[in-house]
Amino acid sequence: NAGVTQTPKFRILKIGQSMTLQCAQDMNHNYMYWYRQDPGMGLKLIYYSVGAGITDKGEVPNGYNVSRSTTEDFPLRLELAAPSQTSVYFCASTDRAGEQYFGPGTRLTVT
Amino acid sequence: AQKITQTQPGMFVQEKEAVTLDCTYDTSDPSYGLFWYKQPSSGEMIFLIYQGSYDQQNATEGRYSLNFQKARKSANLVISASQLGDSAMYFCAMREGPTSGTYKYIFGTGTRLKVLA
Repeated sequence: NAGVTQTPKFRILKIGQSMTLQCAQDMNHNYMYWYRQDPGMGLKLIYYSVGAGITDKGEVPNGYNVSRSTTEDFPLRLELAAPSQTSVYFCASTDRAGEQYFGPGTRLTVT
Repeated sequence: AQKITQTQPGMFVQEKEAVTLDCTYDTSDPSYGLFWYKQPSSGEMIFLIYQGSYDQQNATEGRYSLNFQKARKSANLVISASQLGDSAMYFCAMREGPTSGTYKYIFGTGTRLKVLA
């Protein structure tokens, strides 16, 4: 049982480049989330999804886009990367009943 | 608006002693969940304990217990018999419930706990 997987683990982008952070879960969870964690800080919600085809903005959505075409996958797209997007990105999923299951995170540096 | 507040940026505790990490919350949703997560220096998020807003008893999981005081809107984490491996960042989180239909989570800023030998 893989749980929540994220790729890549690390990435360095140049300013203005774009990339997609991949997230997949094999627990058949309807709810999926993307967070960013800046150094020494808590997690801030970027986007979330309550099911395939349904997404909504979180606290810090600017500069990001998401899609949810299947229950399993929830990719996060960064367009025109900026240094302010240097962070650790976590994907998570949950059923309604309990805890969020987190992926291992992607450490992104924009230079 | 929903809010989670952790007022202790850092805490020290002697090994084998108990420690309480504070968390207060604010929400207008009558149904919500409260969670604590541990983040060691390796970076992963580890679920520790959960308390539902309608649960009558405080949640316990091994050495972890959640001191839930609904009227005061507090959900403090108590770690008994601290171990060196408990040194980590601890986050309190709240999940909106079915009333809002979103099941969004918000996280506090965290408390860094250092256990001293």
